[in-house]
Amino acid sequence: DVKVTQSSRYLVKRTGEKVFLECVQDMDHENMFWYRQDPGLGLRLIYFSYDVKMKEKGDIPEGYSVSREKKERFSLILESASTNQTSMYLCASRGTSGNANEQFFGPGTRLTVL
Amino acid sequence: RKEVEQDPGPFNVPEGATVAFNCTYSNSASQSFFWYRQDCRKEPKLLMSVYSSGNEDGRFTAQLNRASQYISLLIRDSKLSDSATYLCVVNPYSSASKIIFGSGTRLSIRP
Repeated sequence: DVKVTQSSRYLVKRTGEKVFLECVQDMDHENMFWYRQDPGLGLRLIYFSYDVKMKEKGDIPEGYSVSREKKERFSLILESASTNQTSMYLCASRGTSGNANEQFFGPGTRLTVL
Repeated sequence: RKEVEQDPGPFNVPEGATVAFNCTYSNSASQSFFWYRQDCRKEPKLLMSVYSSGNEDGRFTAQLNRASQYISLLIRDSKLSDSATYLCVVNPYSSASKIIFGSGTRLSIRP
């Protein structure tokens, strides 16, 4: 059973703090993604990675960075959290063989920045 | 114009009704298409792929119209458990890492 796990379900941080969101997948998938989801705006892609140490900007990368040192792990970093980064953050992974079209999501991290 | 557009709804229909919603996409070269389902406070999950010839999975039917660049999802004999947000998803290129999600259509089934 494919599993994508995220380090926290709920997180509360203060403005200016550095925030790390961790994501781990156990399916040996090449592609990993970070999205944020806000009411009325749907899923917006922040960054994605198609291989270890590779990263590509998504649609809204400003204020975020990512790290992929190992294939199974993809981290999202908020260098200096701001209140407009309060959101639900979803990590996902997808392979390139077999059923390469199915994207698996983690349960999400609801981040509140005060 | 957004790459993938959906009517956000909500669609509010009685149990047992048939409901359909569409999704339009802007890139005529798009290769593959899907519907995902997202329950309240949960992550999205694949509901079904959409094939050129149309496909059915139980009460769910998905269709693709390449000429008009839209896909549709039809739910027959709707159940209370069908209440969810349905996300239209498009893969613009066959080898793309990135797939495009629509904003979702919210469906609420009432008893």
